[in-house]
Amino acid sequence: AIRITQSPSSLSASTGDRVTVTCRASQGISSYLAWYQQKPGKAPKLLIYAASTLQSGVPSRFSGSGSGTDFTLTISCLQSEDFATYYCQQYYSYPLTFGGGTKVEIK
Amino acid sequence: EVQLVESGGGLVQPGGSLRLSCAASGFTFSSYWMTWVRQAPGKGLEWVANIKQDGSEKYYVDSVKGRFTISRDNAKNSLYLQMNSLRAEDTAVYYCARDRAIDETYSSSDSWGQGTLVTVSS
Repeated sequence: AIRITQSPSSLSASTGDRVTVTCRASQGISSYLAWYQQKPGKAPKLLIYAASTLQSGVPSRFSGSGSGTDFTLTISCLQSEDFATYYCQQYYSYPLTFGGGTKVEIK
Repeated sequence: EVQLVESGGGLVQPGGSLRLSCAASGFTFSSYWMTWVRQAPGKGLEWVANIKQDGSEKYYVDSVKGRFTISRDNAKNSLYLQMNSLRAEDTAVYYCARDRAIDETYSSSDSWGQGTLVTVSS
């Protein structure tokens, strides 16, 4: 199975900050990577697919980049509603796998 | 509006069985791959299994192979997960999700249910 290493596992930031989360795949996955946001007690929400394509309805302050093994999620100007846990997922091969998650907390 | 509603979770003893259901509405269920993802308490997400539109292809994570079976009934707009030989480590919230890309074998999931909790304990 492809392993996805996500970092950092947590970070503290303030509203208005630029935040970056990274995922590294144990082998090349082209652009078959998605990013999800999850708030406590809620289901995950798809933010980005194909590494950089914004899902419909997702604010443009979210962006994704990368291909091959290294990927980045950037939140350009953190808003209060963005405090949550973020997961990346590879869908290049089965079994699909998720990164361990990054919890974005209020500084 | 896409809606996915899971049911069937509960407390079960180790070695027991449980069948989860997911009722879909608001979209053409038979056109989409469907997926189960789980999340152990306080832990991250784990992809469990998915199934093709017509049920002809199914994929599983290694830890559930031979114990769990994913299935669907397109006439009833329903997805199922039959879980046998349950273990303590299967304790989790189980989410039903719709795969985003209709014509692709590999896809992210763009709509999720609220989840159903399965607790395996004696």
